[in-house]
Amino acid sequence: DVKVTQSSRYLVKRTGEKVFLECVQDMDHENMFWYRQDPGLGLRLIYFSYDVKMKEKGDIPEGYSVSREKKERFSLILESASTNQTSMYLCASSPPERSVYEQYFGPGTRLTVT
Amino acid sequence: GNSVTQMEGPVTLSEEAFLTINCTYTATGYPSLFWYVQYPGEGLQLLLKATKADDKGSNKGFEATYRKETTSFHLEKGSVQVSDSAVYFCALSPGTGGFKTIFGAGTRLFVKA
Repeated sequence: DVKVTQSSRYLVKRTGEKVFLECVQDMDHENMFWYRQDPGLGLRLIYFSYDVKMKEKGDIPEGYSVSREKKERFSLILESASTNQTSMYLCASSPPERSVYEQYFGPGTRLTVT
Repeated sequence: GNSVTQMEGPVTLSEEAFLTINCTYTATGYPSLFWYVQYPGEGLQLLLKATKADDKGSNKGFEATYRKETTSFHLEKGSVQVSDSAVYFCALSPGTGGFKTIFGAGTRLFVKA
């Protein structure tokens, strides 16, 4: 079974702190994604990566950056956390099949910024 | 552009009731369609999928049929259980040229014993 793990289930940070969220997948997937999930808004894509050191902005990249130095690891960075970044963050990965992009999700990190 | 619209929740049903959660989509080309489920405190997991028109995806008693003529992919289950209480997301993946998945807003289902 594909396993996607995230470094923390719950995280509390202060405004202005630099925050790192880590995601690791064990299935050698090329594609990895970071989403945030907010009530009534569903999932919104922050960034994705289709290969090591490659990244693309999603729909809401402002205030975030990412790093993918190894194929299995995709990190989301909040350069200076703000209260409006309080959310559930979900990482996902998918294999590179051309027409079917089923995604495998981690358990999520609930981040609170105070 | 591509989009997914699903019925707003919450949906509250009694155990053994019939479930329908409506989902319609807008897409160019030939997308793949998915239903994901999110149980409390967990990430999303794939429930079922369909990759071409008239395909029926099924899993754990849930079914959905890819209807290109009505651009729909409604989720159904004949008899729900308390353990089906979760949030259900309809999603599409564009058929060609992209691998971003578009998710609906999610529908929360409560099943009462």
